[in-house]
Parts: sequence; structure tokens; C-alpha cells
Amino acid sequence: QSALTQPASVSGSPGQSITISCTGTSSDVGGYNYVSWYQQHPGKAPKLMIYDVSKRPSGVSNRFSGSKSGNTASLTISGLQAEDEADYYCSSYTSSSTVVFGGGTKLTVL
Amino acid sequence: EVQLVQSGAEVKKPGESLKISCKGSGYSFTSYWIGWVRQMPGKGLEWMGIIYPGDSDTRYSPSFQGQVTISADKSISTAYLQWSSLKASDTAMYYCARSTTIANWFDPWGQGTLVTVSS
Repeated sequence: QSALTQPASVSGSPGQSITISCTGTSSDVGGYNYVSWYQQHPGKAPKLMIYDVSKRPSGVSNRFSGSKSGNTASLTISGLQAEDEADYYCSSYTSSSTVVFGGGTKLTVL
Repeated sequence: EVQLVQSGAEVKKPGESLKISCKGSGYSFTSYWIGWVRQMPGKGLEWMGIIYPGDSDTRYSPSFQGQVTISADKSISTAYLQWSSLKASDTAMYYCARSTTIANWFDPWGQGTLVTVSS
């Protein structure tokens, strides 16, 4: 089962907005509204940021938002802050009754 | 507070066996799935498999089927990940995490268990 495709890196300046894409197939991202996004700082466990494509857990800043179009999901971070610098991973349920992660995207805040 | 606490770091030799643990607290352990995720050094997250402690229903990623065993002891609210014969390529950080269903998100995550396999 192939990993979902994410850009290796994205960058933005404080205050700007960035979007990270996550491309799969009709057997995963496109077939289910079970896309999640995780933030991982160096040496830390991942943290849930978005679930069910666009829902935000309690305590997660509303600067984080998620969406999906066809086989591609997206995570948008608005009003970039230094603390947003981290690795971001998407995940999706699949038609094989498993879950697949994306390869990860390193966000650099310039 | 919902918490998953994992066992400590392990250093093993190739061919040895290993069982690492993940203890849940602050919620009904038998009502949620526990998944395991591998992160090799400098690499991304990989979904290994998931178990429902309520009835021990277990699913594996094709990539990990036959390579590891996932189990749970609901009497002590603990899930396990085990290897019968470790390889150097098993060197990684392993995370457990809670999910409401097989399909859903992972939250929270354990702190991770670093497994190092070296001769």
C-alpha cells in the first residue's frame, strides 16, 4: 500500500498562510471522509490537528483548517507563527480496512 | 485525563525477541481501538496495525502482517507489540495511539518507545 503523497517541504513567513497537500486515490482519500492531519515537533509524539477532513479537536487553534477535493486533501495554516514549524502528516482510511499515512511535510517558518 | 504510557527504551541484538507495552488510563480501555505506528530514524509515520481490546479484534497493515504481533490484556488496560526475531531494520520509534474506530483519527498518542537493534 503506497503512502499518500505530500510535498517534502513548504515554507512561509510569520503571518502568512500556507497549504500542504495530501494526494491519494479513490481507494483512500477520495473514497472516505476519514482524513486526519498530525503535527510533530522534533523528538515529540505526533499531535492530532484535524480529523474527518475538516474538524478541529478541542484546543487546536482555528488557524488550522482542512479540506478535500477529489483525491487530494489539504491542510491550511493561516497567520503562521514560529511555533507552527514542525513536520505535518496526513492519514486516510483505505478500502483495505487499514490506514495509510502521507510521507510527511517539513514546514519552515522563515 | 486520557493517557497512554509506553514502556521504556530497549536495546536488543538481532534474533532476539521483544514485547513492548502501552498502558491506557482515564477511559474505558475496552471501548476504544489501540493502534501502533512505526517511525524509523529520520523517516515518516507508518501504520502497523490496530487492536480492539474489548474482543481482541486485530488488523494489520500488509507491510507488517507476519512480522509483528499485536495483543492486549484488558484486565490491566495494556496493549502490546511484539517481535519473535528482531532485525536491525526494526530499529525505530514505536508509538501507540487511541482511536474510536479502525477508520478514525489517533488521539492521544503515547510518548513512544525507542527500539534499537544492533549486534
